[in-house]
Parts: sequence; structure tokens; C-alpha cells
Amino acid sequence: NAGVTQTPKFQVLKTGQSMTLQCAQDMNHEYMSWYRQDPGMGLRLIHYSVGAGITDQGEVPNGYNVSRSTTEDFPLRLLSAAPSQTSVYFCASSWNPAGGSEAFFGQGTRLTVV
Amino acid sequence: KNEVEQSPQNLTAQEGEFITINCSYSVGISALHWLQQHPGGGIVSLFMLSSGKKKHGRLIATINIQEKHSSLHITASHPRDSAVYICAVNSGGGADGLTFGKGTHLIIQP
Repeated sequence: NAGVTQTPKFQVLKTGQSMTLQCAQDMNHEYMSWYRQDPGMGLRLIHYSVGAGITDQGEVPNGYNVSRSTTEDFPLRLLSAAPSQTSVYFCASSWNPAGGSEAFFGQGTRLTVV
Repeated sequence: KNEVEQSPQNLTAQEGEFITINCSYSVGISALHWLQQHPGGGIVSLFMLSSGKKKHGRLIATINIQEKHSSLHITASHPRDSAVYICAVNSGGGADGLTFGKGTHLIIQP
């Protein structure tokens, strides 16, 4: 039972570099989302997807891109990393977020941009 | 946008004590989640509830829809319960994910 798998667990980037955070789930969930967690703040939604081929912006989408070519995978791309993107990133999946269903989270990616 | 407030922000207690963490929200919801995050660790779902009360082992979660309030209780607390407890809500009506509280940092001392 893998659940939600995120890679890498840790990453250091230089300002201006790009990278992709990987997220995969094996529960056949339609809904997947990316959050960032910053000290003193609750997790905030970056982007989400309600199914393959469908994505939309969350609360803090600037500087990030996503795509959903398969049900299983939902990668998050940082186009040109900035120190303000230093954060812990969590991927999550669930059956039906609007109607309320249990959310499953990855282990997180701790990203530092220098 | 739903506002989710948790209290207390920090809580230190002795092993064996009964613990209560509170969560209030501003707008009607379809479901409320209690999550647990150990230091440096991932986030684990403890409960999802839309009414009443749920129990799992030493953990109990209650929700009062009319008062827009939920509580998480831990009975016979243990040092391994030390973690951040996060309340999150589905506001419903759309697929815009969860709205999170800032979390309650709980330390149980032996």
C-alpha cells in the first residue's frame, strides 16, 4: 500500500533554477492537489486537479505549473525558483474533496532556494 | 473563504492528562478533518467527520455543525502523541481543496 509518494524528500536549488516535484498515488483517486506549508501559516493550496487532463489554480499558484496526464501522477514544476518558494510542499489525493472524503498526503518535500 | 481557527496554538501537558484541542470555522462545511503531523514527518489523517462524534483508540473527535466548532480529545496522553494537530475543512460546493488551521503544537512530557 504505497498511498501517495512524493519525491524528492529534500532539495536545495539556486535562484533561477527549475525543477519538478513528483507526486504519484496508487488509489485511483480523481482529485489531487499541491499545498505549501510555511511557518506560522496553515497549508495553502497551490494547484489542484479533478481528473486527468484537468487542472486549476489554488490560492498561491504564481511561479508554479502543473499537468495531469494520468490519474496516478501530478507533478509540480517550479519554473524559475525564488527564495520565497522555500517551503515544505505536500501532495494530497482524495476521492471527492467537494463532498468530503478522507485526504491522503505524501511525506512532503522540503525545498530550500538559495 | 472559510476561516479556520485553532486553539491553543501550543500545549504542553504531562503524560496521562486529558487533552482537548479546539477548532472553529466561519462558513458552513461539508466535512472537517483532523490531521496529525510529527516533527519532520508527513501528514496523516486521523478523522473526517460531518456530524456527531468519532472515536479511534484514545482519540475522540466531535463536531457541532450549528456552532461551527469541533474538538479533538486525547485520553491518557502519551509522549508519542507529541505532534502538530491540524484542523482542516471542506467548504463544499467546489473542488478547491481544504482550508487549514495553523495547527496546535502538542508536547506530552513523561
